[in-house]
Parts: sequence; structure tokens; C-alpha cells
Amino acid sequence: EVQLVESGGSLVQPGGSLRLSCAASGFSFSTYAMTWVRQAPGKGLEWVSAISADSINAYHAEPVKGRFTISRDNSKNTLWLQMNSLRAEDTARYYCARKTSGQNWFDPWGQGTLVTVSS
Amino acid sequence: QSALTQPASVSGSPGQSITISCTGTSNDVGPYNFVSWYQQHPGTAPKLMIFDVYNRPSGVSSRFSGSKSGNTASLTISGLQAEDEADYYCCSLRTGPTWVFGGGTKLTVL
Repeated sequence: EVQLVESGGSLVQPGGSLRLSCAASGFSFSTYAMTWVRQAPGKGLEWVSAISADSINAYHAEPVKGRFTISRDNSKNTLWLQMNSLRAEDTARYYCARKTSGQNWFDPWGQGTLVTVSS
Repeated sequence: QSALTQPASVSGSPGQSITISCTGTSNDVGPYNFVSWYQQHPGTAPKLMIFDVYNRPSGVSSRFSGSKSGNTASLTISGLQAEDEADYYCCSLRTGPTWVFGGGTKLTVL
């Protein structure tokens, strides 16, 4: 069974940093691109970042460019999102999702991890 | 980055059909057949319902169908059932590449 389990979310002060993890199992992690999508409380989905299977290509949405970095370790079946200079507007549940390389849909999704940026 | 435009809410009675629209631009929905749709029940993760405008993943009911005309994609649910009540989001590849979601539509089954 394909499983994605996010962790690392917590309460952090504005300007702080946090690293989210996504542990993958049940599929050949090294052959799939991966992505992060967030959802602010009571709001819609917002694409955040994506990374190719071989880590050569990484993409970030404008609101997080220069502050967030997506990375992965295929030997550990793990995806990360390093978040720096956090702002109140980054408060959200962060989901990781599998993205088939060369395709443009996300399936499946993990259950998400909650990041709260507040003083 | 502007989101794709969806109606905030739609409703229908059991057995009826409803359609949710998703309007983008010439930088996303228009030039690409890469629109996907996600269903999200409260407190749960989104679930892929349609990919590449028209296609259904294995296990998704044939009551769900997708289409596109110009800069607008649509999701149609026929034979509405109580379990279809959820939030629905469209998503498209946007030139960059990046990906952009719609603002979401709350479906109420009356």
C-alpha cells in the first residue's frame, strides 16, 4: 500500500525555521517526482513546491521562493521541505503528494502536518 | 499568483447532476490538457478524481466526468449521492512550470 506520512509541523515564531519530512513507503520512491501543497485553516489548496525524481529540477511557488527549499533522499525514501523566514501567512497544513514524472496530477496525498507561525 | 476561478458553492438533490466550472487563463487551463480535480471531505486529505481533463483514476466512480472548453474546465457529477458532499478543487499546470489550484467549491447534497 502506498503511504506518505508527514511530520515536523509545530508552532514557530515569525522569522523562524522549520523542516518538514515526508516518509514514503509502498512504491519505488526514486522513480517519482514529489510535491508539497498547503492549506491554510478554512482555506483552499495552494501548491508550494515540486522536485523531480532525481532532484535535478526543483520548483517553488512565488510566495515561498527564496525562503523554502524542497529536497529528497532516495536512499531514505524521504522528502523534505526546509522553511526559513516563516511568516504568519505560512500557517497551514502541509501535505506531501506523489507526482508521476512527466505528468501533472498528485496522487496519493499524505494526511498533512500542521505548521503554525505565531508569536 | 492568482488562483483558478471556481464557484464558491453548488448544490443538488440526490440523483441530479451538477457541474463545477474552473476558469483559468491562456497561461494555464487554456493551452494545456493538464487539469486535475480533487475531492476533499472535512478533516481528510484531498483525493484525485480526474486527471488530464477527462481521465478517471482506477476506483473512481464513472459518475464523475471532466471536460474543457477554452480557458474553462468543468467537473460533472451525475446521479448525486450523499457521499459526494465535499469540497472540490481543480488544478492546472501553469507556464513556468508551476501548478495552480482553484479556490475550491463546496458541494452540498440537499
